[in-house]
Amino acid sequence: NAGVMQNPRHLVRRRGQEARLRCSPMKGHSHVYWYRQLPEEGLKFMVYLQKENIIDESGMPKERFSAEFPKEGPSILRIQQVVRGDSAAYFCASSPLSGYTGELFFGEGSRLTVL
Amino acid sequence: GDSVTQMEGPVTLSEEAFLTINCTYTATGYPSLFWYVQYPGEGLQLLLKATKADDKGSNKGFEATYRKETTSFHLEKGSVQVSDSAVYFCALSDEQINYQLIWGAGTKLIIKP
Repeated sequence: NAGVMQNPRHLVRRRGQEARLRCSPMKGHSHVYWYRQLPEEGLKFMVYLQKENIIDESGMPKERFSAEFPKEGPSILRIQQVVRGDSAAYFCASSPLSGYTGELFFGEGSRLTVL
Repeated sequence: GDSVTQMEGPVTLSEEAFLTINCTYTATGYPSLFWYVQYPGEGLQLLLKATKADDKGSNKGFEATYRKETTSFHLEKGSVQVSDSAVYFCALSDEQINYQLIWGAGTKLIIKP
């Protein structure tokens, strides 16, 4: 399957723990975007990354959230000291080398539940 | 700021019924408009899009027309199938930062045989 791969699909954490969500873009894609969907709401842009660079993090909360896309390996969205309000579906999307071309290719999402 | 509003679900229809899922938007510029679909157990995928007023996007029997005068992009299909059961998302892209899609909350569609 050459699609966008996200794992884990479901993650349960207790308040104060850390959550790490991983995203491998489609083959040939070098741009990664993270979106968050809170219950009963639409997706909200969080961050846009290229390999080893954060291009736009204007949608990321200023504290506890960080993202990276290393030269090797998947993109990681890291949430430190999780709180109940972090419970959401986190979607990763990718686009080709040329950047955004009018279509985003999404993974199945990672659903985080904070107890 | 820009926003997208789509009809709440779930929408339940019988097979071969006519489908309309309403989507309206507010935007200061000239956004592109999208419908994405998420089938059970899969990621979101682009269904159709329109980039300027009066454009009609179409795919798999679905259509939507970019209506600037009513700021709408309603999704329609003449005869739905059980396999169309999914969650449908309306979205717009900011004219200046086009990868920052603004999304509706999604509409769950259930088609009964």
